[in-house]
Formats: sequence, structure tokens, C-alpha cells
Amino acid sequence: KAGVTQTPRYLIKTRGQQVTLSCSPISGHRSVSWYQQTPGQGLQFLFEYFSETQRNKGNFPGRFSGRQFSNSRSEMNVSTLELGDSALYLCASSPGGSRAGANVLTFGAGSRLTVL
Amino acid sequence: GESVGLHLPTLSVQEGDNSIINCAYSNSASDYFIWYKQESGKGPQFIIDIRSNMDKRQGQRVTVLLNKTVKHLSLQIAATQPGDSAVYFCAENNAGNMLTFGGGTRLMVKP
Repeated sequence: KAGVTQTPRYLIKTRGQQVTLSCSPISGHRSVSWYQQTPGQGLQFLFEYFSETQRNKGNFPGRFSGRQFSNSRSEMNVSTLELGDSALYLCASSPGGSRAGANVLTFGAGSRLTVL
Repeated sequence: GESVGLHLPTLSVQEGDNSIINCAYSNSASDYFIWYKQESGKGPQFIIDIRSNMDKRQGQRVTVLLNKTVKHLSLQIAATQPGDSAVYFCAENNAGNMLTFGGGTRLMVKP
């Protein structure tokens, strides 16, 4: 079956702009999580959505937001981009159990954002 | 390919040797741990997991060991192959799908 699909794969923005990234989970998966990966900070959790509701949130400023649609597809938005937002943004989907270890996360290939 | 870390610790092994990758975790209350492999240009790929009520779990060519006393996790890869070259991350999972990742180790396999 198809894996997690993220679009776009690469994009370049300038400071102050905003960006929207899209994630299509594996069919039947209801949970979508987003992570930011940078050389300096590594992989950091942004947020998780389940049944169109944010279930968990990491320690990122309010410029980072997300949403999930009824078909489980998810988008994340970053407003007022800063140079430090340059990163690989990874989406992961899972069936959706809320207990730790209830699911194996399957990651997409990521969206590489460069902020100039 | 895309770089996932410019200053990662690197483990270099000869093809056919065994590899051991170590990880220290921070939260003594963590009850579920996962190892991921990330190849250049790809997202992390699940390798193996272990719950806190276990000390050891084996998969195909991989073994994970958990030492809760010192909050240490290790991944052993038997008969390392060139295709094992990648960055390896440990992660602890405390709630839902919120993972806290370690910094990663780059494994290089010499032919």
C-alpha cells in the first residue's frame, strides 16, 4: 500500500513569508504527527492530530500551526518565516492508538524548507 | 543526498562485523523505546522497539538492549552490510505519538 506522502518535497521561501506543507497518511491511519529536523536540534516533535483534533503539542511558537481534515490528510503552516525555520519537516502517520507504544509511526520523506 | 546531521558521532565498521550503537535516554518514566534508521533523502524507518518491562528484544539481524538502571539503550546489528549505512536514532515514547529522539549516530560500513 502507498506510504506517507508529503508535498512539496523542496521549497524556498524568504523571511516573513508563510508556508503550508501537506501530508497524506497511509490509508486507514487516523493519526498524523509532525516533526522538525535540523542539524543543530535534531528531530523535534511539533504536534499530533487525531480525528481532526490536536492531541499533543510540542514546544514551538504559535507561528507553527496545523490542521487535519476529515480524510485524515494534514497540513502544517508556518507564518512569518525566520531563517531558523529552515529544516526538514517530517510527517508520520499511525493507526491512532493514544497509549505510548500502541502504534508504529511511519514517516514520509519530508519537505525540505529553505528560508532565505 | 540530504544531510541529516553535520556533526553526528560516527561508527565505522567493516562489512560482516557486528555493530553496536548506543543511546542514553533522559526520562526514567519512559515505557517504550524505538530505534529508527534514516538514509539520505528519506524519512526515519522503524527498525525495532522495546517496552520498559523487557531487557532485550531480537529481530532479524538486530537486537535491542535496555538498561533502565542507567537509562541506556543499545542497538546491535549482526553481520553489518553496506545497506546498513545510515543514521540511527533512538527515541522514547511517553504519550501518544510524541517521540523524543536522541541525537543520532552515523553508521558507515566499509566494504
